[in-house]
Amino acid sequence: AQKVTQAQTEISVVEKEDVTLDCVYETRDTTYYLFWYKQPPSGELVFLIRRNSFDEQNEISGRYSWNFQKSTSSFNFTITASQVVDSAVYFCALSGGGSNYKLTFGKGTLLTVNP
Amino acid sequence: GAVVSQHPSWVICKSGTSVKIECRSLDFQATTMFWYRQFPKQSLMLMATSNEGSKATYEQGVEKDKFLINHASLTLSTLTVTSAHPEDSSFYICSARTRTGPNPYTQYFGPGTRLTVL
Repeated sequence: AQKVTQAQTEISVVEKEDVTLDCVYETRDTTYYLFWYKQPPSGELVFLIRRNSFDEQNEISGRYSWNFQKSTSSFNFTITASQVVDSAVYFCALSGGGSNYKLTFGKGTLLTVNP
Repeated sequence: GAVVSQHPSWVICKSGTSVKIECRSLDFQATTMFWYRQFPKQSLMLMATSNEGSKATYEQGVEKDKFLINHASLTLSTLTVTSAHPEDSSFYICSARTRTGPNPYTQYFGPGTRLTVL
């Protein structure tokens, strides 16, 4: 069975602070995919990143960066110099390869960035 | 790219009526679409997987006769909530899964439909 744990239920920071959202996953698949989605108050889930299990390179996209470590089964997400517009619920998700493509979501982390 | 639309964005109906929600992949073809339900301050709950040209696969505990899913084309899936009751009030979200492109096997989500049953 697959499992995604986002231990941080809520995080509150002040604008311009850096913040890291944790994600730990469990799977028996050798091929799998990891995702991060953002859900702002409007409700629409916005795709942020996809990583496959064979690519452990960290990725940076503007103020966003992701740290994928298979050794600790973690896929953490860091926002540098946070902004009020970053306030949202962030979901980490996992899917298997092949026909096992359902997404297993974590419970989400509510990030509030205060001005 | 990879845009998914959902219509309507919100709907209010009387108990006992049926409501149809449409999910469209606008710029890609999706053989597989998914329907989720989300309660306030909770994660997404997968209801069913919709495959083009075949019957949907429902998750355990989801009534297939109540939540009818049709995936008649590569860009359109519909969810019909039949004989809706107040307990069906929720936020329903669809997604479409890419097969190709810069992010294959990725689900892109529609904006959601907020259903209120009076």
